[in-house]
Amino acid sequence: AQTVTQSQPEMSVQEAETVTLSCTYDTSENNYYLFWYKQPPSRQMILVIRQEAYKQQNATENRFSVNFQKAAKSFSLKISDSQLGDTAMYFCAFMKDTGRRALTFGSGTRLQVQP
Amino acid sequence: GAGVSQSPSNKVTEKGKDVELRCDPISGHTALYWYRQSLGQGLEFLIYFQGNSAPDKSGLPSDRFSAERTGGSVSTLTIQRTQQEDSAVYLCASSLVAEGRETQYFGPGTRLLVL
Repeated sequence: AQTVTQSQPEMSVQEAETVTLSCTYDTSENNYYLFWYKQPPSRQMILVIRQEAYKQQNATENRFSVNFQKAAKSFSLKISDSQLGDTAMYFCAFMKDTGRRALTFGSGTRLQVQP
Repeated sequence: GAGVSQSPSNKVTEKGKDVELRCDPISGHTALYWYRQSLGQGLEFLIYFQGNSAPDKSGLPSDRFSAERTGGSVSTLTIQRTQQEDSAVYLCASSLVAEGRETQYFGPGTRLLVL
């Protein structure tokens, strides 16, 4: 079974600053996918970024980038130039490449962007 | 195009009553997932439908929970004899299963409150 751990329940950042959210996971799988989802107060779960484990290059999406360390089983999310609209719960999630492709989620990090 | 939709948005019911939650996936998506999000348990996988295969029901917490997917599209999650511990947000997600490209897209969820 897979586990995903987010050790930062809450974080705060000033607008325009950079913040990094941590995520570690445990798995015996070699091929898998990792995701960061954002859940604002509206409750809608929105995909932020995804990473394929077989790719060594870190994924980037505009102001969002990840630091994927496969050997360390670490997958952190960096948000640059934080904006007020980034205020949300952020969930790290794991998905196997084979078999049941359900997501295993971490407990989430609540990010507050301060003006 | 249209995203995943869920109805109702909110549902209040009395303990012991049955409830039905509906999910309309993104057109063309072959996989459909139900998750439950509660304060105490975080995000949990419930059930997974993929094409015409038998559903993976391994996440259903009890036999009071059931789900069906008609015509490979719309899905209904039914909770019989609701209990207060069933209070949660029920999220539906769909994806197009394609080699290396699967990403789950979520609906806005149904918030269930059992009194």
